[in-house]
Amino acid sequence: GAGVSQSPRYKVAKRGQDVALRCDPISGHVSLFWYQQALGQGPEFLTYFQNEAQLDKSGLPSDRFFAERPEGSVSTLKIQRTQQEDSAVYLCASSQYGQGESQPQHFGDGTRLSIL
Amino acid sequence: GENVEQHPSTLSVQEGDSAVIKCTYSDSASNYFPWYKQELGKRPQLIIDIRSNVGEKKDQRIAVTLNKTAKHFSLHITETQPEDSAVYFCAAIDSWGKLQFGAGTQVVVTP
Repeated sequence: GAGVSQSPRYKVAKRGQDVALRCDPISGHVSLFWYQQALGQGPEFLTYFQNEAQLDKSGLPSDRFFAERPEGSVSTLKIQRTQQEDSAVYLCASSQYGQGESQPQHFGDGTRLSIL
Repeated sequence: GENVEQHPSTLSVQEGDSAVIKCTYSDSASNYFPWYKQELGKRPQLIIDIRSNVGEKKDQRIAVTLNKTAKHFSLHITETQPEDSAVYFCAAIDSWGKLQFGAGTQVVVTP
């Protein structure tokens, strides 16, 4: 595709519900990143995929957060038993090459998650 | 790990004046430094980047300088226009390929 696409753009859920956020990276991009952006802050790293392999999940806040990229393209970030502190914008980014390459990361528009 | 600090947090300039945003980083192994512009409700958009083997890079009204010895880099916007109003983030890539972002600078250009 022309750019990184994320869906839904907005998600409202009640505390305790599970949510799933989707990211469609730029076609052919090897690397895929998830970031969390709180209001007024810079994006914070959550997890990294190189193709289908999840090489780094050190930024995931708790075991309620789970991400996958089973075929090395589309990725899903799942949050179980949501809590109010999960409210944030979740950004996905992709880049052309694998780990170890210093290269631009291209972001999607994000999913704004609100937990009531 | 990498720590990036960014100043100022807000910057108000008159249209036509220059704007300068400064960042420092902690990891001497960092070798790639992008700058992103984010308008309200929009995606972070890469506007310029610099690699550690270069001291300065310019693209029209935007320039970035890097001082590896001092571990700081700066964004310079000349002849500012109202459409330059946005939040600007600096970032540094750590040794694992992750971007560490600064806290952002809200730039307001007044006509």
